[in-house]
Amino acid sequence: DGGITQSPKYLFRKEGQNVTLSCEQNLNHDAMYWYRQDPGQGLRLIYYSQIVNDFQKGDIAEGYSVSREKKESFPLTVTSAQKNPTAFYLCASSGTGVSYGYTFGSGTRLTVV
Amino acid sequence: DQQVKQNSPSLSVQEGRISILNCDYTNSMFDYFLWYKKYPAEGPTFLISISSIKDKNEDGRFTVFLNKSAKHLSLHIVPSQPGDSAVYFCAASAYNAGNMLTFGGGTRLMVKP
Repeated sequence: DGGITQSPKYLFRKEGQNVTLSCEQNLNHDAMYWYRQDPGQGLRLIYYSQIVNDFQKGDIAEGYSVSREKKESFPLTVTSAQKNPTAFYLCASSGTGVSYGYTFGSGTRLTVV
Repeated sequence: DQQVKQNSPSLSVQEGRISILNCDYTNSMFDYFLWYKKYPAEGPTFLISISSIKDKNEDGRFTVFLNKSAKHLSLHIVPSQPGDSAVYFCAASAYNAGNMLTFGGGTRLMVKP
């Protein structure tokens, strides 16, 4: 079955530590995205990548970093520079043509302790 | 500046009645619109979409209406069921923006038994 997998489901991090969230897709999608959702808030775009080895900042990229070395993988690193990292993080991918829309992963809940 | 707005953060409806979720947009370049449904701690899932060449699209209990002149779309759920309780996101895409989606802030729908 094709899909998009985020791991882990829950992640705890101490203040001052970097942490990497995994996102893998086997849908052969070119584009991948990272969103953040805070309680009662909408989806805010962190980073996106339209093609391998290329990515662009979204609306709230500060304190985050990404890489896109393989088509299937788009890991997100939450650095110690991110002031309020506790949130629900969603990864998505999309194929060619807008009618595909986005396929989302099931999310990672990051909590800073 | 939010290009896609869902002005009602929450909506409560009785089971069996109609739910109407609204979405407004400002970018006249948007030509494809989608609705996503999201349960807590899960990723959003695609619900229904509509192209700007249409003014209505129906799929079972779900109908999306598009009023281009008013830059307004709505999602109708008839009849509403308790399992429909979720957050609904409106999203839009412009023909000159590839497959990038712009999301609204979401509306939390609560269907009471």
